[in-house]
Amino acid sequence: LAKTTQPISMDSYEGQEVNITCSHNNIATNDYITWYQQFPSQGPRFIIQGYKTKVTNEVASLFIPADRKSSTLSLPRVSLSDTAVYYCLVGANAGNNRKLIWGLGTSLAVNP
Amino acid sequence: ETGVTQSPTHLIKTRGQQVTLRCSSQSGHNTVSWYQQALGQGPQFIFQYYREEENGRGNFPPRFSGLQFPNYSSELNVNALELDDSALYLCASSFNGATGELFFGEGSRLTVL
Repeated sequence: LAKTTQPISMDSYEGQEVNITCSHNNIATNDYITWYQQFPSQGPRFIIQGYKTKVTNEVASLFIPADRKSSTLSLPRVSLSDTAVYYCLVGANAGNNRKLIWGLGTSLAVNP
Repeated sequence: ETGVTQSPTHLIKTRGQQVTLRCSSQSGHNTVSWYQQALGQGPQFIFQYYREEENGRGNFPPRFSGLQFPNYSSELNVNALELDDSALYLCASSFNGATGELFFGEGSRLTVL
């Protein structure tokens, strides 16, 4: 099971781009990288998932270098409502035996 | 809205009691996983059910048990409650073989006194 390391906290301002980097040195060949967002007293919400290179959706981009030992979640033009905890997860996309390790996540504070 | 509902949303128990938490998965999802999230911590995987059978378990004692029903809804049972069991319990549903995205409910906040 691949362990991830990400910053405990980050601060930003409205309108800025925020990049959160996650290290996963022992990622396995069949592991995917997934990011979730969690607001206080709510369940986590899926943001984006990728395997290699770059993935983009309507809310974020995920950059994965060729060695896949790290990944960067990019949030363009953040707003106050993006203040949340962001979790980076690495695991096989097998579906029927998922044991993803959730770390402490990165607590992002967006200031006015 | 993820389509995953959990009940109750909040409850208070005393040490030694037993609790049952319930989860209705999103339509079409055949896999349910349960997580315990203590304050300030990330979710910890308890176990997962696929088509009514447990097929993965985290580092939790046997007093944490569960069920999945034919309609894929699920229950988490915790016996002999301890103070450290106080946490937010999250249920997530997914469809085996799909993109791997987990759809979480809003959680059940358990307080053990």
